[in-house]
Amino acid sequence: QVQLQESGPGLVKPSETLSLTCTFSGGSISDYYWSWIRQPPGKGLEWIGYIYYSGTTDYNPSLKSRVTISIDTSKNQFSLKLTSVTAADTAVYYCARRTRSCSSLSCNLDYFDYWGQGTLVTVSS
Amino acid sequence: DIVMTQSPDSLAVSLGERATINCKSSQSVLDTSTNRNSLAWYQHKPGQPPRLLIYWASTRVSGVPDRFSGSGSGTDFTLTISSLQAEDVAVYYCQQYFSPSVTFGQGTKLEIK
Repeated sequence: QVQLQESGPGLVKPSETLSLTCTFSGGSISDYYWSWIRQPPGKGLEWIGYIYYSGTTDYNPSLKSRVTISIDTSKNQFSLKLTSVTAADTAVYYCARRTRSCSSLSCNLDYFDYWGQGTLVTVSS
Repeated sequence: DIVMTQSPDSLAVSLGERATINCKSSQSVLDTSTNRNSLAWYQHKPGQPPRLLIYWASTRVSGVPDRFSGSGSGTDFTLTISSLQAEDVAVYYCQQYFSPSVTFGQGTKLEIK
């Protein structure tokens, strides 16, 4: 049974760093890309970035300068750090598992098949 | 970025009637090497995480009722609920994964008329 669970502070001050951790269970860590997605209040879903177990990452260009995603394979955890936050970063943050499909030549990243419950992070002084 | 545009923004349908949600991408999401469209549909209810319903534009996830179906190719896609049930009230999102930098539609809110 696949489970993902976000944890971290629910309140962050402006200009500080938002830090969240996702703990996952079920499935092989190397078969998936581990991702962060957020949803500001009343708005749609925004992909933040992903990490592969090898440490390979990719980020949304609009957030790339402020985002770092890391992974601890020994603990089945991956983490998100978002620096210099403002009120615009207030959102429900989800961690999710992204599938991949491979041919003899390459692997492609696909859809998100499992999501955590989400955690609301509010940026306010 | 590939821009995903859903229509309508909201939809009210009577119980037992058909609901149709459209999704248009700013460029084709068809992978010509595999002939598969990199398009997924999610159902999102308040207080819950999004739930994957459909992937590769038309493949239903195991356990999803067969009243949900996906169709389309290239840039135009449709999610159809053949007979609306009360538990289908939710916001529905399409998402392209043709590009590693995935993007979602703005969402369609589905309600009971």
